[in-house]
Amino acid sequence: DTAVSQTPKYLVTQMGNDKSIKCEQNLGHDTMYWYKQDSKKFLKIMFSYNNKELIINETVPNRFSPKSPDKAHLNLHINSLELGDSAVYFCASSQRTVGPTGYGYTFGSGTRLTVV
Amino acid sequence: AQSVTQLGSHVSVSEGALVLLRCNYSSSVPPYLFWYVQYPNQGLQLLLKYTTGATLVKGINGFEAEFKKSETSFHLTKPSAHMSDAAEYFCAVRYSTSGTYKYIFGTGTRLKVLA
Repeated sequence: DTAVSQTPKYLVTQMGNDKSIKCEQNLGHDTMYWYKQDSKKFLKIMFSYNNKELIINETVPNRFSPKSPDKAHLNLHINSLELGDSAVYFCASSQRTVGPTGYGYTFGSGTRLTVV
Repeated sequence: AQSVTQLGSHVSVSEGALVLLRCNYSSSVPPYLFWYVQYPNQGLQLLLKYTTGATLVKGINGFEAEFKKSETSFHLTKPSAHMSDAAEYFCAVRYSTSGTYKYIFGTGTRLKVLA
């Protein structure tokens, strides 16, 4: 069973298009995240949702909009794609309310977005 | 401010040799520290974590890390490298902010294992 699944795995699109990446987790976690990994492998958080509520919204362009229909899903919609948006986008989940024991994330396998 | 520094973006070791990947952190509060591994074209997997208690933490695949508060370090080691250990390794620190948790990742260290 896949714990955190993202679709599509690869996405090639032209500048100016609008695209969505979907993420689903079956771990029962209450918090989900989107990370962007650039060509230098640097991971940067973009958004975090806890029980469908946005709790982290880093400085990303307004063209990026997360949507969480329920706590098992966190989708990422990107409008007017630009060349600089090319990267690997990772979805992750964790159990935030576990107390001081500090669980790590479970990551999806990533979506490689290429904007041409 | 919280930060994570991984020394050495590339590390090469011979098969069977000791693996040492360095991570230093900066945190104004007691940190929770993590090591993740990323194999090519895959997501990140948790190797091990330190929260509280024993400072020597054992993880999967024979890796371990020691939390040294005085040195603000959390270096990752493995006594004997295997070819399958070749991957990208990320150190991360978790801290609380505004009632939620936030993670900061280091820039990663690519481990190459030579036959």
